Amino acid sequence: RKEVEQDPGPFNVPEGATVAFNCTYSNSASQSFFWYRQDCRKEPKLLMSVYSSGNEDGRFTAQLNRASQYISLLIRDSKLSDSATYLCVVNFYTGRRALTFGSGTRLQVQP
Amino acid sequence: NAGVTQTPKFQVLKTGQSMTLQCAQDMNHEYMSWYRQDPGMGLRLIHYSVGAGITDQGEVPNGYNVSRSTTEDFPLRLLSAAPSQTSVYFCASSGTAMNTEAFFGQGTRLTVV
Repeated sequence: RKEVEQDPGPFNVPEGATVAFNCTYSNSASQSFFWYRQDCRKEPKLLMSVYSSGNEDGRFTAQLNRASQYISLLIRDSKLSDSATYLCVVNFYTGRRALTFGSGTRLQVQP
Repeated sequence: NAGVTQTPKFQVLKTGQSMTLQCAQDMNHEYMSWYRQDPGMGLRLIHYSVGAGITDQGEVPNGYNVSRSTTEDFPLRLLSAAPSQTSVYFCASSGTAMNTEAFFGQGTRLTVV
């Protein structure tokens, strides 16, 4: 079983739609959580960190549920430019500090 | 605004050849790492370093070596290339705090034939 699991998609949504991505992680020793965005054939870039109380950045809202080991990303009013792969990333504290990536969820926003 | 610089961007190797992927960062980050990305598998950690002179293995270290002689540079060496090492390789750097952002290089697309 992968340590970080995501639905690979693709999610095909019209412009203006609201879309939600989910991610589960297996290690309760996880310390920090992120969503990264990766455009086709490009490097991953940080979209937002995920805090225990939930956090919002414009049209993007991230939620964390430690009890269920579950992270979510909500995108409101989708834009064509939101089309990308969204990577759920967890920083496990196991004596070795390293980011563990989910395999990504692909979003395609259509006009 | 260089950030993390990786070279080369593309490379084709024959089975058995060796090569070094270069990675340099100008942000004075202590933590650097190498990942490979394969279709449907996400990024997997190969090796990482928490500072000059200190390296350790990640999830998939076999067939790769690293060294960290300076804070800025973290090269990845393929000892004897195999087709299974065909992948996209990313170098990343970040500060030492657990919740700091990781910055990635543009990636190296490696094909081993």
